[in-house]
Amino acid sequence: GAGVSQTPSNKVTEKGKYVELRCDPISGHTALYWYRQSLGQGPEFLIYFQGTGAADDSGLPNDRFFAVRPEGSVSTLKIQRTERGDSAVYLCASSLQGAFNTGELFFGEGSRLTVL
Amino acid sequence: AQRVTQPEKLLSVFKGAPVELKCNYSYSGSPELFWYVQYSRQRLQLLLRHISRESIKGFTADLNKGETSFHLKKPFAQEEDSAMYYCALSGSARQLTFGSGTQLTVLP
Repeated sequence: GAGVSQTPSNKVTEKGKYVELRCDPISGHTALYWYRQSLGQGPEFLIYFQGTGAADDSGLPNDRFFAVRPEGSVSTLKIQRTERGDSAVYLCASSLQGAFNTGELFFGEGSRLTVL
Repeated sequence: AQRVTQPEKLLSVFKGAPVELKCNYSYSGSPELFWYVQYSRQRLQLLLRHISRESIKGFTADLNKGETSFHLKKPFAQEEDSAMYYCALSGSARQLTFGSGTQLTVLP
C-alpha cells in the first residue's frame, strides 16, 4: 500500500487480556515509531526501531508493553494484562533512514484500543 | 528533558482574519521544531519545519530561541485551515515530542 497501515483499527478488550497491534510501514522505510495518544493529548512517544532493533524504548510505560520488528518491516506492539488506563489510540509512523532530522514521520490512521 | 506547550486547546477565528497558534518549548540544547496538522478524518501529517524556513499553505513559523517559542502564523485564515495542529520538538533523541495540540476552527 501507499501509506502506513495499522490493524486493527478498533479493538475492544477486557481488563487483564492480552492485545497485539500491528503496523506495516511504508516500503523502504527503515525507521519505525510507536506513539500513544490519549483523549485530549498529543502523541506520546513509546518506542523507535531502526531496522530490526529497538533503538530507543524509553517511552514504554512499564514491562507490560513490548514491541518487536523481527524482519525490519512489520512491527507488533504487545500489551499484556491490559488495564483501563491503556485505552488510547496507538499510532505507528515510519520514516526513511537518515531523514529523521527533517522531522517527516509518516503516520498511520491508528489503532483505537478500549479496555473495559 | 524536552517539553512542548501549546497553551490554547481551542482557537476560533473568522475567515480572512489573521491566526496565530502558540507553541513554547523547553530544551537545553539546540532543538529542531516542527508543526504537524491533522485534518478531519485524515492522518497526522507534517506541515512545516523550522530548518526549511518555508511557507506551506500560507503558514509560516519562526523559531525564537530567546523566547523559546515557535508560533504558527497565517495572515488570512481559510475555512479549509480548520484542523488540529500539533507543535513538535526533536532534540538529541531520535524521536519527536509533541504538544497537546490546538483545535483551530475558521468560521465563515
